[in-house]
Amino acid sequence: NAGVTQTPKFRILKIGQSMTLQCAQDMNHNYMYWYRQDPGMGLKLIYYSVGAGITDKGEVPNGYNVSRSTTEDFPLRLELAAPSQTSVYFCASSLIGTENTGELFFGEGSRLTVL
Amino acid sequence: DQQVKQNSPSLSVQEGRISILNCDYTNSMFDYFLWYKKYPAEGPTFLISISSIKDKNEDGRFTVFLNKSAKHLSLHIVPSQPGDSAVYFCAALGGGGADGLTFGKGTHLIIQP
Repeated sequence: NAGVTQTPKFRILKIGQSMTLQCAQDMNHNYMYWYRQDPGMGLKLIYYSVGAGITDKGEVPNGYNVSRSTTEDFPLRLELAAPSQTSVYFCASSLIGTENTGELFFGEGSRLTVL
Repeated sequence: DQQVKQNSPSLSVQEGRISILNCDYTNSMFDYFLWYKKYPAEGPTFLISISSIKDKNEDGRFTVFLNKSAKHLSLHIVPSQPGDSAVYFCAALGGGGADGLTFGKGTHLIIQP
């Protein structure tokens, strides 16, 4: 049972570079999310998707882009990396229905450093 | 403006005793409250939740209490075990904002032998 898989686990970027964090889930969940966690802080929502072809902004979307071409995949794109984007990024998924209780399944995280 | 607050960055408890982790919130529209547990270098994992229409939910050693009038919830772990040492995040669902959960900053629980 893979669950939510994130790659890469670690990455160092130079200012201005771009990269994509990959996220895949094999639980057939409709909803997928990207969060970032800065040191000593809680997780903040970057973007989310309620299904293939549908994405929406969360609390801190600036500097990021997402796409959702399939149910399984939800990549996060950083176009012009900045030091403020140094963080640990978590992808999550959930099965939303009328009985939604908010339980999210998280990946192991991707630690990104921008120098 | 934090809507979910965990005011204790860390908590140290002796093994076998009760651990009580606290969480306050400001948005009365939240529908569910959840606790997540996180070990270093891993993603958070769901621990227990409570609906806003309940005041208590119990699952084994873990009990969550909700006091809506005080906008306060707490997680009780009894008895505390060494494997409980982790960061615990309080989270809330709903509130009229974007979908997804609103997280507190977390409390680092340390269980001492």
